[in-house]
This record gives sequence, structure tokens and C-alpha cells, in this order.
Amino acid sequence: SQKIEQNSEALNIQEGKTATLTCNYTNYSPAYLQWYRQDPGRGPVFLLLIRENEKEKRKERLKVTFDTTLKQSLFHITASQPADSATYLCALSSSTSYGKLTFGQGTILTVHP
Amino acid sequence: KAGVTQTPRYLIKTRGQQVTLSCSPISGHRSVSWYQQTPGQGLQFLFEYFSETQRNKGNFPGRFSGRQFSNSRSEMNVSTLELGDSALYLCASSLEGSLLGNTIYFGEGSWLTVV
Repeated sequence: SQKIEQNSEALNIQEGKTATLTCNYTNYSPAYLQWYRQDPGRGPVFLLLIRENEKEKRKERLKVTFDTTLKQSLFHITASQPADSATYLCALSSSTSYGKLTFGQGTILTVHP
Repeated sequence: KAGVTQTPRYLIKTRGQQVTLSCSPISGHRSVSWYQQTPGQGLQFLFEYFSETQRNKGNFPGRFSGRQFSNSRSEMNVSTLELGDSALYLCASSLEGSLLGNTIYFGEGSWLTVV
């Protein structure tokens, strides 16, 4: 069965450092991989989308890589700030999944001042 | 423009009752998906509607149902509520669903507590 694993349940880093979150998947051939941020009691907020034929995507302090051979995505937040503290979710979708995203369990990131 | 709107925000129901949750997608979006989020299972896909047709369905019992109206607004219904149905129910909208990599936007969710 399809399985998505985010490597850490929780990640603690110091302000100014780069946070790196990992998303691994098995038994899946995704066409797209997305990263979301979720704050307590709120809905997920879209951050970045990367397609299967793309290796890397950037947006301001965020960078996502997608390696379909390793079946892995890395999500980086550079120059992290306490305001970046949240749960980060990776989600996969195929070209025929019609609105369905398959989510990982999420990584709780805490950035300490 | 306005985001995805879900109502009610919070509700408490008794076992055996039924509940209806409502979702208004972003203007112009025709795809609406529903998800259940619990601490143990995380975010799980319930179903997706596009132009009033259910195109995809997750692995939930038949007690979970939904529909979409001609204005793209959607409702989901859970009948014969069980304690395990307590969760955050999230609605998401997009232009075409996840096809073509359309961005999917989530609402703030409806918190359902079953007692």
C-alpha cells in the first residue's frame, strides 16, 4: 500500500539556521508533491508544489527538491525564524487522483530564538 | 478574494445523531475535496466533487456522504455518529482538482466533537 513518511515527528533548531525536513514515499508514482504549513487549530496552507519532472523549486526562503529515483523530497527553510514554527506536511498526488492528496503525518518544527 | 469558508466552525453532537457540514469554495473553483484530520490518523481524504459529480472517494464507510451544488458549494453528511468521528473536517477547493498540479486551498475546518 502507499506509504508516506516524514522523517521526524519533531525538529528543533536555532533561529537563523536552516531547517531541513524529509518526505519519503513508497508504492507511489506521484506526478506532484506539495508542502503545506499548518498552525494549531487552522487549516493547512499551501507553500510549494513541485512536479515529477522538476528537481528543485524555490520561493523566498523556501526550497524543495524532488528525487523520484530515491522517492524523496527535501524541504528547506533558510534563515529560520521563530515565526516559522508550525507543522509542515508533505502531500502527494498523481495525475489521476482527482482532488485527492495523500498526506504524511507531518513534522512539528520549533525554531528557538 | 475570499478564501474557502466552512460552517459551522465548532459543533458537538451525540452518538447516533447525524451532522451536515458546509463548504463554500473560492470563487471560480469547481473542485471541492473533503478531509478528516485526527491526531492518530492525520489527514485522510474523504471525497472530491467536480461540477456536481463525485470523482474520487476515500476509504470511509457509507455513513460519510457528500454532495456539490451547481454553484460549487458543497456539503458533507455523517450519519449515525460514532465517538471516533470526532475530528477536524477540512474542505479544500481548487480550479480543477489535483490534475495539472492546481494549487489546493484549505478552509479553517469544522471541529466536530461526538459525545
